[in-house]
Amino acid sequence: DAGITQSPRHKVTETGTPVTLRCHQTENHRYMYWYRQDPGHGLRLIHYSYGVKDTDKGEVSDGYSVSRSKTEDFLLTLESATSSQTSVYFCAIAPGGQGASGYGYTFGSGTRLTVV
Amino acid sequence: KQEVTQIPAALSVPEGENLVLNCSFTDSAIYNLQWFRQDPGKGLTSLLLIQSSQREQTSGRLNASLDKSSGRSTLYIAASQPGDSATYLCAVPNPGNTGKLIFGQGTTLQVKP
Repeated sequence: DAGITQSPRHKVTETGTPVTLRCHQTENHRYMYWYRQDPGHGLRLIHYSYGVKDTDKGEVSDGYSVSRSKTEDFLLTLESATSSQTSVYFCAIAPGGQGASGYGYTFGSGTRLTVV
Repeated sequence: KQEVTQIPAALSVPEGENLVLNCSFTDSAIYNLQWFRQDPGKGLTSLLLIQSSQREQTSGRLNASLDKSSGRSTLYIAASQPGDSATYLCAVPNPGNTGKLIFGQGTTLQVKP
């Protein structure tokens, strides 16, 4: 979607290797989120950020870390990838924490990660 | 705890039909409700955002309504087309500071030519 890009789009990695996914936005939105989507589980929040260097855990944060050193970039790192982390990862942005600004949430196109 | 439910899970209709997708939520204290579309292997595309003070929003052949008191929203698609085939998701922001979205499980729509 315009204003938010994820990289890479696809990645295959080996078990035990570190992996970093990048989310980049040009909207200057305060809030950024990382979700994973799996069959039968829907979309689940991994981590989110409410400002530069301000991050917090979501419901499935084990095995993941994040960093946000600039407003526009939110990085998701799998310290030591496992097969259970094979998934599609989506980044989302929002102007306000509740979406109360009226603009709602915008999602990226996703990163398909396969851990072999 | 907010829960969002979408019924039906799947729907198949012939081209040209008008159809309604349903979304219900348990906590009526919502700021807004957002409808998304997801094509297979693709990301989520925002369709409509309804603020809590609004009753409905329209975009082209799509009309979304919101009834907070009953905890329901509907997405009406007029004159359906094969290109409308996708999964439709509704979501509300979780009460609190995270701004986390609570999603329904989605309705997968197939429009047959």
